[in-house]
Order: sequence, then C-alpha cells, then structure tokens
Amino acid sequence: DAKTTQPTSMDCAEGRAANLPCNHSTISGNEYVYWYRQIHSQGPQYIIHGLKNNETNEMASLIITEDRKSSTLILPHATLRDTAVYYCIVKGGNTGKLIFGQGTTLQVKP
Amino acid sequence: DSGVTQTPKHLITATGQRVTLRCSPRSGDLSVYWYQQSLDQGLQFLIQYYNGEERAKGNILERFSAQQFPDLHSELNLSSLELGDSALYFCASSAGSGNLNNEQFFGPGTRLTVL
Repeated sequence: DAKTTQPTSMDCAEGRAANLPCNHSTISGNEYVYWYRQIHSQGPQYIIHGLKNNETNEMASLIITEDRKSSTLILPHATLRDTAVYYCIVKGGNTGKLIFGQGTTLQVKP
Repeated sequence: DSGVTQTPKHLITATGQRVTLRCSPRSGDLSVYWYQQSLDQGLQFLIQYYNGEERAKGNILERFSAQQFPDLHSELNLSSLELGDSALYFCASSAGSGNLNNEQFFGPGTRLTVL
C-alpha cells in the first residue's frame, strides 16, 4: 500500500473551512484514498473516500489532484466537535486492511 | 453509534495472563477486523476475518489469536501477556470481504492494561 504524508498538526477557527492536505505520490492506479478521523480515544470514524474524482458527502469534500499524488479533505464549516486526529489512508481494492499513519491533529478553536 | 459492540470496555490484568476480547459486528456485516492502538506504535492492523475464515493478517504476534464464529461475532485471544501489550484494541466491521470499497465501522474499543 502507498505511504501517505500529512502535517502533524493544524489549527482552524470555528466556522471556517478546514483544509487538510495529504501527499500520496506513490499511489497506484487501483488504489483509493480514504479519510478517517479519531476523536480522543474513540474508535476511528469513516469520513469519505475517492479514486480520482472529487467526492462530497454530508461530512466533507475530498479533492484529488489530477495526477492523484495528493488530496485535500475539506470540512466546510468546522465546529469544536471536529477537533480530532485525521488519517489519510491509501487502500488497494484487493485488501480490506487499513494502514494508519500518524495523521493530522486538527484543533478547532473558538 | 457505529453498530459495532466490543466487550469489555476496560480490562486490567497481570503479566503472563490470558484474556479474551469480544466483538459483535454491525448487523449484516461479514468482515471483522482487529486493530491495536498503542502510544508508541499508533493504530496497527492485526487480522481480518470474513464469514468465518481468516482473510488477511497484519502484525499480529504469535501469542495472539482470533476467530470468527458462525453468528459472525469475533474474539481476540491474547496470551502470555506482557507490559507492552497494554493498548486500545479496536474491532471494525464491513459489509464485504475487503475487495470492495466498503467503509469500516469501528467499535468503541477495549482498553487493556497489563500490570
């Protein structure tokens, strides 16, 4: 599975958009980009995933560059409850296992 | 609430002992995954079962074993426990075997403390 690189930490003002970047320069053609988050020590929570097109759901948007070497998770209106560790994961279609890196700790401030 | 349940929530035991962690997947999900989260190693995949059969193996120690029963619940057995086994153990479930892009739903975890 491709390795991902994320900033260790980020701050965001409440009500503003949070843009979390992820580099995955060695991603293969059949690998998807997944985002999960973990609030405190709770179980990780699925956010969104995509292959090459931009994706949006009720939680977030995922923007994947045309060369697929990087992506950005966008939380459009961050709230204090969005404070969490966000994990960007690249996963092949032939395996279910998720390989978690260190993630980005997002701190949403009032 | 993800629909995945794990018991017990907390477990305190001594070195050398054996414990069993239990996981019930979401209704209808056939795959169960086990992950370990420790302070120094982060979240690590241990093992996956799909419909009763082992599907994928990660960094699972030989002292650890798992199984999935006909009712699809799963148990993770940890034996000859060491201090370093203290961690959060998460179970996750998904609808498919992993070759489809189904998201995984995680349980609340079991916090194991080995003294």
